[in-house]
Amino acid sequence: GAVVSQHPSWVICKSGTSVKIECRSLDFQATTMFWYRQFPKQSLMLMATSNEGSKATYEQGVEKDKFLINHASLTLSTLTVTSAHPEDSSFYICSARGGGRYEQYFGPGTRLTVT
Amino acid sequence: AQSVTQPDIHITVSEGASLELRCNYSYGATPYLFWYVQSPGQGLQLLLKYFSGDTLVQGIKGFEAEFKRSQSSFNLRKPSVHWSDAAEYFCAGKRGGADGLTFGKGTHLIIQP
Repeated sequence: GAVVSQHPSWVICKSGTSVKIECRSLDFQATTMFWYRQFPKQSLMLMATSNEGSKATYEQGVEKDKFLINHASLTLSTLTVTSAHPEDSSFYICSARGGGRYEQYFGPGTRLTVT
Repeated sequence: AQSVTQPDIHITVSEGASLELRCNYSYGATPYLFWYVQSPGQGLQLLLKYFSGDTLVQGIKGFEAEFKRSQSSFNLRKPSVHWSDAAEYFCAGKRGGADGLTFGKGTHLIIQP
């Protein structure tokens, strides 16, 4: 149980375009979803927290107009990187929490490369 | 500010030997603490967690961790490592149940034959 999927697993896009990443909780209802960013050989940094039906809360230094997060249902959250630039290239990982549990379950991540 | 520190970037251990990965935290109150493992090309897997109660926590794959308030530590241990344990290990913490996680920088575990 507690499986989280992400789609796509990797994506290459051109500078200036937008790309959407989906995060789904497959077997539980995720009241809260989190988005993290991981640079190569580095740790995960929390970008934002989203609760179903509410606006996302962004961490300091994360541009909310660039990283659009939508959590429209209890099983789906999306992260849209708008007007992507090469410096946005990274590994984006989502996690989900729900069912009264404190722990988060992580998706496998999405590798974004902006050319 | 809340933080989680993993002092060791790399650890090399011989197969069959014991392992201890260090983690220190800085929180005003007792945080929720976690250890995750990340293998190449795979997502983060939860090894164990501590919220309250018994300070020695048992996890999956033979791992355990001990919460020591006096030392602000939550070190991960395994009595005998296997080659398949080679991976990146992250300690993480948060203040409250609904919060996002603060991760340490990770410890890269190398297993020598």
